[in-house]
Parts: sequence; structure tokens; C-alpha cells
Amino acid sequence: GAVVSQHPSRVICKSGTSVKIECRSLDFQATTMFWYRQFPKQSLMLMATSNEGSKATYEQGVEKDKFLINHASLTLSTLTVTSAHPEDSSFYICSATDSEPGAKNIQYFGAGTRLSVL
Amino acid sequence: KQEVTQIPAALSVPEGENLVLNCSFTDSAIYNLQWFRQDPGKGLTSLLLIQSSQREQTSGRLNASLDKSSGRSTLYIAASQPGDSATYLCAVSHQGGKLIFGQGTELSVKP
Repeated sequence: GAVVSQHPSRVICKSGTSVKIECRSLDFQATTMFWYRQFPKQSLMLMATSNEGSKATYEQGVEKDKFLINHASLTLSTLTVTSAHPEDSSFYICSATDSEPGAKNIQYFGAGTRLSVL
Repeated sequence: KQEVTQIPAALSVPEGENLVLNCSFTDSAIYNLQWFRQDPGKGLTSLLLIQSSQREQTSGRLNASLDKSSGRSTLYIAASQPGDSATYLCAVSHQGGKLIFGQGTELSVKP
């Protein structure tokens, strides 16, 4: 099946630094990718929809200047957490939808990134 | 606004038992519904996807049903095994692909 690679799997950083997370579709092209965050014992919450070649669409309550999304190619989207603070510590997961016609709109998920801000 | 609810929040069963996980959603205008498995600290594994026009999907010991009009789905696991222990998430999608997730059911299968 389709594979989505997410890197890094874990990052620990000091408060005030910025962290970049990459999401790559390895064997398919994805015009649309999604970014989710998950707090412990809670479900996934959609943060934003990343569109190749255009601006991301953010969900209500998500700060676009805090969580910068870039989708510069059909196989790569990046999420940058700017000036990270301890409350940003969470599990971030990306997903990608196969752009091929007839691909049934299935989302393939990365393995997630555990961010810990000290 | 779509809301997805999963019951129960946690479930513990002895090995070999058949079990049912429940998912309900408030807006029936969905594109599809998926069931995922998530192991602690890991990403998601897609188990079954049911298109809005379908009533059920089967894969091995798993069977998922969908009643769109009543806003309900069930995931049936036959002959449960300790390796089935994980959190099971239900998610619905609308046109455009956004997934709305339930809170999940944490399943523990005791040997």
C-alpha cells in the first residue's frame, strides 16, 4: 500500500525554538495533505489542510503564524512550529491523499512526531 | 458541525471473546467512514473503509457496518486476541477529505 514518511519521529527542544516536521508521500503524489495533533488520551484534531502550490487552510482556533505549513511539491509538506512553548508539546500526525483519479479519497498516515518542549 | 462519538471509551475482554465497538455521528452527509487502529505512541493503521453507498466491509476477523441514515457504525471483532489490544478510532470524511475522529475505544484483550 501507499506509504507516508514522517520525520522526525521524536524531537525535544528548548522553549522559544522552532521545529520543522516533514511529511512525504513515498510512492504516490498528493496534492492534499492534512496535519493533525493529538494530546495524550485524546483523539486526533485536524489542524490544517495543506494544498500543493497554495496556502494551507487552517481550522478554527489554529494560529497560522504559529504553525507554518508549506506544501512546495506533490510529495512533501512541512509543518513548522514556531517559537515552541511547553503547551505545544503533543503528537503531530500527517496524512496524504492519493491524487490519482479513482484513488477513493483514502488518507494514508505517517507514523507521527512526538514533540516535547522543555 | 460534525461530531463523532465512540462508545465505550474503554473495554477489557478475555481472549477469544467476540466484541463490538460503536461509533455514532451527527451529520449523515458523509463521504466515507474509516476504522483505524492506533498502538500507544504510534501512528494510525487503517483497518476498514466504508464508502457512503456501502453497508459493510470485512477483513479477516473484522467486520464494519454502516447505517448512514441513523448515523451509526459498528466494528465487530471476532475471536479477539491479545494482539488486538490497541485504541480503535472511528473517523468520518466529507467531500474535500477532512477526517473527523471520535475519541476512540481503548481495547484490552487479556490472555
